[in-house]
Parts: sequence; structure tokens; C-alpha cells
Amino acid sequence: GQQLNQSPQSMFIQEGEDVSMNCTSSSIFNTWLWYKQDPGEGPVLLIALYKAGELTSNGRLTAQFGITRKDSFLNISASIPSDVGIYFCAGQRYGGSQGNLIFGKGTKLSVKP
Amino acid sequence: SAVISQKPSRDICQRGTSLTIQCQVDSQVTMMFWYRQQPGQSLTLIATANQGSEATYESGFVIDKFPISRPNLTFSTLTVSNMSPEDSSIYLCSVEKGTGGARTQYFGPGTRLLVL
Repeated sequence: GQQLNQSPQSMFIQEGEDVSMNCTSSSIFNTWLWYKQDPGEGPVLLIALYKAGELTSNGRLTAQFGITRKDSFLNISASIPSDVGIYFCAGQRYGGSQGNLIFGKGTKLSVKP
Repeated sequence: SAVISQKPSRDICQRGTSLTIQCQVDSQVTMMFWYRQQPGQSLTLIATANQGSEATYESGFVIDKFPISRPNLTFSTLTVSNMSPEDSSIYLCSVEKGTGGARTQYFGPGTRLLVL
């Protein structure tokens, strides 16, 4: 099925560094969601974005809903070892197939102490 | 948010058998979904579990292979039928919270299935 283009695929960074990842699509979305998945766990919601141009923070995390509604980015500032995991973006459209939450392929983050 | 539990958390099954996965949420929700996450991959929607009517399946997924029940607004089951090794995946249920233009999905912890 359709997927979002999420990049980078993986990142290896030093503790304390900032991280940026993004998702793009050829189609517009009504909602952008960012999740983190730890090994052996289900995805945990980090940030939800509902309006084009919206910039939202959750602690050290900041995400933006692109003005074209076709992209979103997630930034993590001052990374720490517990930030390790896989980050997924997900876009949602309303109407038609009611679930239609479409996921990116994920960004695997590794943090070196 | 929502507190979601799944049973079993993991299982190892033989080819040709079936496994039923349960999903319980701590509050009544209208929308419940089932996803599959193949090893090292992203999440793919299997179906929407509709309360009081048949589930709505996504392209590539059929009711005979993945029958779903939704007896009430807090519970759903997904059965993986006549399993083959290709069915080895994590199966996740999710629920939708919010209304209008402010909806969000929350996920359960997943069921890790290995088919031998």
C-alpha cells in the first residue's frame, strides 16, 4: 500500500546532539502523527499535528505540520540514551477508508553515550 | 489517551493452525483497528473493526484469513487463520480518540507471532 517517504532511514549520533527527521508525501494529509517504538513494544504517540503550519513541542521534541500539508518534520534536541528507538511518522486523511493512517518506514535512532 | 491490552503478548504456532488475538481498551471507543508489522517493517492496516457490523478490510487482506469480531465498544479479536511462516509478524490493535479534525490513534503493545 501507499507509504510516506521518511528519512533518514537510520541515524547514529552522540549523546547531546540534536536530531532531525522528516516525512514527505505526494498527497495531502489532514493530520500528521509522530510515534516512537521501543523494541518489544507498540508505537507510543509523541506528537499530533492537526493544522497546516502548526508547530508543536513536547519536552525536547518539536514537530511541524508542513504548510503544503504534504510533509512534516520531527526534531529532538539534546539527545539522551533513552531516545534510542524507531520513530514513525503517520499521516491521516478523513473520509473514505476510515482507518487510513499511513505510516512511514521509520527512522532508527542510535545514541552513543 | 487510552490504555490498551493485548493477549497473548507472544506465541509460537505451527503451520496450518489458527490464533485468536484479543484487544481490550479501558474506555468505550467507536473506532478500533488492526495492524500488521512484519519484521523490520512499518505498520500496515489490516482492517477496521466495526461494532455491530462486519469489519472493513484493506486491500490485500480478506475475512477468511483474518476474521475479526467486535462484540462491544471496548473489545475486539483478530484471528490469523491457517497460518504459514509468512504470517510471522507483530499484530497491533489501535483505537481512535477525538473527533472531527482532531483525531489520534493509540496502539496496544502488540502480539508477536512466530509461525514455524
